[in-house]
Amino acid sequence: GAVVSQHPSWVICKSGTSVKIECRSLDFQATTMFWYRQFPKQSLMLMATSNEGSKATYEQGVEKDKFLINHASLTLSTLTVTSAHPEDSSFYICSARETGLQPQHFGDGTRLSIL
Amino acid sequence: AQSVAQPEDQVNVAEGNPLTVKCTYSVSGNPYLFWYVQYPNRGLQFLLKYITGDNLVKGSYGFEAEFNKSQTSFHLKKPSALVSDSALYFCAVRDRMDSSYKLIFGSGTRLLVRP
Repeated sequence: GAVVSQHPSWVICKSGTSVKIECRSLDFQATTMFWYRQFPKQSLMLMATSNEGSKATYEQGVEKDKFLINHASLTLSTLTVTSAHPEDSSFYICSARETGLQPQHFGDGTRLSIL
Repeated sequence: AQSVAQPEDQVNVAEGNPLTVKCTYSVSGNPYLFWYVQYPNRGLQFLLKYITGDNLVKGSYGFEAEFNKSQTSFHLKKPSALVSDSALYFCAVRDRMDSSYKLIFGSGTRLLVRP
């Protein structure tokens, strides 16, 4: 089946650091990738949608300069949290979509903790 | 506006008993509907989807869901619950006319299956 690999799974870093999270589709080409944020005991909040080779589309209220998204190939998208602060601590999850009516396939998430 | 409601924060059921996790939706036109499961500190795993055709959809791990257009519902069911089914379940909807392929998620329902 379709596998999405997300790396790293856990990051702890100091305030002010920039953190990059990778999302790879291992056995399919992802036309579109999505980045979500999940707070404890809450649902997923869509941050942005990225299509290969074009700029990401950010949801309302998400700072594009804070959360940089790059989708350089059909199998890789990255999310960079720039100058991270404690309030950016969260669980970040990516998903990837094949063509047609296939469902989104999700990575295992990255738990980001900013000290 | 599109929305998904999961009215129960938690569902408790004894092992071996049938389970139902409720989901209702509001979307213009005909939707695509999905169920995902999330285990602690993991991403979402796809369970099943309704695209068209038979209203009863069978998915992974013995789960099934019934699409009811008149009640705008897509409840998740399983005839005999296992302790290992204990997890967080999300219902999601996508508008067929939405070219962004975004999913709208419900708030999630925690299923607890007791031995």
